[in-house]
This record gives sequence, structure tokens and C-alpha cells, in this order.
Amino acid sequence: DVKVTQSSRYLVKRTGEKVFLECVQDMDHENMFWYRQDPGLGLRLIYFSYDVKMKEKGDIPEGYSVSREKKERFSLILESASTNQTSMYLCASLPATLRQPQHFGDGTRLSIL
Amino acid sequence: AQSVTQPDIHITVSEGASLELRCNYSYGATPYLFWYVQSPGQGLQLLLKYFSGDTLVQGIKGFEAEFKRSQSSFNLRKPSVHWSDAAEYFCAVGASLTGTASKLTFGTGTRLQVTL
Repeated sequence: DVKVTQSSRYLVKRTGEKVFLECVQDMDHENMFWYRQDPGLGLRLIYFSYDVKMKEKGDIPEGYSVSREKKERFSLILESASTNQTSMYLCASLPATLRQPQHFGDGTRLSIL
Repeated sequence: AQSVTQPDIHITVSEGASLELRCNYSYGATPYLFWYVQSPGQGLQLLLKYFSGDTLVQGIKGFEAEFKRSQSSFNLRKPSVHWSDAAEYFCAVGASLTGTASKLTFGTGTRLQVTL
């Protein structure tokens, strides 16, 4: 089974802090994704990466950046956290094979105070 | 751009009753369609997927979904609901990003409550 691991289940940070959310997958997948989930809005794509050191903006990239230095690890960075970034963050991975579903981690619930 | 509509925010059914969760999509080409389930505090688990072929697809936990192109729908069904099915259900449509990477656009979810 594919395992996507997010380093923290719950995280509390303060406004203005730099925040790192980490995601690791164990199946050598080429593609990785970061989503945020908010009530009534479903999941929205922040950034994705289709290869090491490659990144592309999703639908809501403002206020976020990402890093992919190794194939198995994809980090989401909040450069200066704000209260409107309080949310559930979900990481997913996808192999570079046609007709495959994305596999999700358990999520990080981030609170910015 | 693709979009997904799940018209029911919240549904309550009795244990043992049948279930149908609605999903309508908008996409210019043949879509990739998915249903995911999310239990409280958990990530998303894939229930089933449709890429092509047979329009009735079977998934895990006794769920099935039917792709109807003429109605742009991909409704999820289960003949007899169990209390453990209480969760939030997300329909998603996939569109190609690169050759083998697809972007998922999600609906806003349907929360299922099961009464005993």
C-alpha cells in the first residue's frame, strides 16, 4: 500500500511565523500535491510538483511556497503565517502512470493564532 | 475549467437503508472521476474511480458509482448502509496537468450521518 506521511497531525503557530509542513511518500511517485481543506469549500490545490526541484502553482498559491529537494519529500512553506491560513492541509502523491488515483496523507490541522 | 457540484451538503439515512450521493461535473473532454471518503480527523481514502469503459464501477466497502455522460453525473450508491459509513464523501474530476499527472477538482463534500 502507498504510504503518505505528514509529519504533524496538529500544529499551532503564531502570526508572522515561518511554518513548514512536511510530507513524505514511500512509493517513488513522481507527482506530489498540497491541498488545503476548508468547510464548504472542499479541497483546493495550492502547489504541485511533477519532479524533483520542479514546482507549479495550483489554484491558491498566494502566501505559500514549496520545496522538493528529494523525490520522496514535498514541503509546504508559509513564509509569514496569517490567521486566514488556519486550515486542514492535505498532501497527496501520484505515480507518473496513466489512470492512477492520488493517494492522500492523514492531514495536518494548522491553527495560526 | 472543470468543476464539480455535490448538491447535498448533509444527508441522514437509517442503517440498512439504501444510499445515493449525487455528483455532477463539468469538463470538456472525457473525465477521470473519483469518489473519496474522509472519516473524522483522517485523510482521504479512495472509494472508486472511473477512467473509461464500463460505466458502472465497483469500489471498496460495497460502494458503486455510475457514470452518465448525458447527465454529466457520477452518483455514488450503496444498497445497505452501515453505521461505519458515516463520514464525508467527496467527488472529484481529474484533468491532465502534464502527460501523466492529473489535477483533481473536488466538490464541496456531502456529510453522511447514519442513524441506528
